[in-house]
Amino acid sequence: DTGVSQNPRHKITKRGQNVTFRCDPISEHNRLYWYRQTLGQGPEFLTYFQNEAQLEKSRLLSDRFSAERPKGSFSTLEIQRTEQGDSAMYLCASRSNELAGGEETQYFGPGTRLLVL
Amino acid sequence: AQKVTQAQTEISVVEKEDVTLDCVYETRDTTYYLFWYKQPPSGELVFLIRRNSFDEQNEISGRYSWNFQKSTSSFNFTITASQVVDSAVYFCALSEGILTGGGNKLTFGTGTQLKVEL
Repeated sequence: DTGVSQNPRHKITKRGQNVTFRCDPISEHNRLYWYRQTLGQGPEFLTYFQNEAQLEKSRLLSDRFSAERPKGSFSTLEIQRTEQGDSAMYLCASRSNELAGGEETQYFGPGTRLLVL
Repeated sequence: AQKVTQAQTEISVVEKEDVTLDCVYETRDTTYYLFWYKQPPSGELVFLIRRNSFDEQNEISGRYSWNFQKSTSSFNFTITASQVVDSAVYFCALSEGILTGGGNKLTFGTGTQLKVEL
């Protein structure tokens, strides 16, 4: 399987705990995106990386959220001191290198469903 | 600001009926991309089609067809002879900032839940 993978698929945690999600993009895709989707809504942009550089963060990404992509391959999204409002599906997407004439389509992983009790 | 509107929250049809999902967008960019994604109950967003702002040709792929009209800022999606397997949430999305360094992040509509019944 060469698609985008995300782990874990489901996470249940208690309010105040920290959680970390992982995303493995399609091999050689240099751009990686994080989105959040709440029930009945479309995905909303959180942040994106070009290689290991985090180039943009949405104002939705509060100080409790941090994302990394240390080697330009997989990425992690950590939420500290979780709140019930953080309950959502966290989606990761990747796309190919535009400088190399790559296509503009983002391919999504299966997502991580977070439930904060 | 970029905006995508999918006014139809839920549509129910009987199998073999044709159905059109509407999408209206707003952008100040002159160069942009439009997308449709399918989200089955499993949750994964499945890419269906991409259209760039310079190409208004309609496209047909099997039972799927797309009508892009810049004059009305619409990018509608039609499923011909719908099947139960088409039941899913369908999202229209807009890619912004292609020439202005916006990172090509996607702005999504709220989705249309399509239910195809026997």
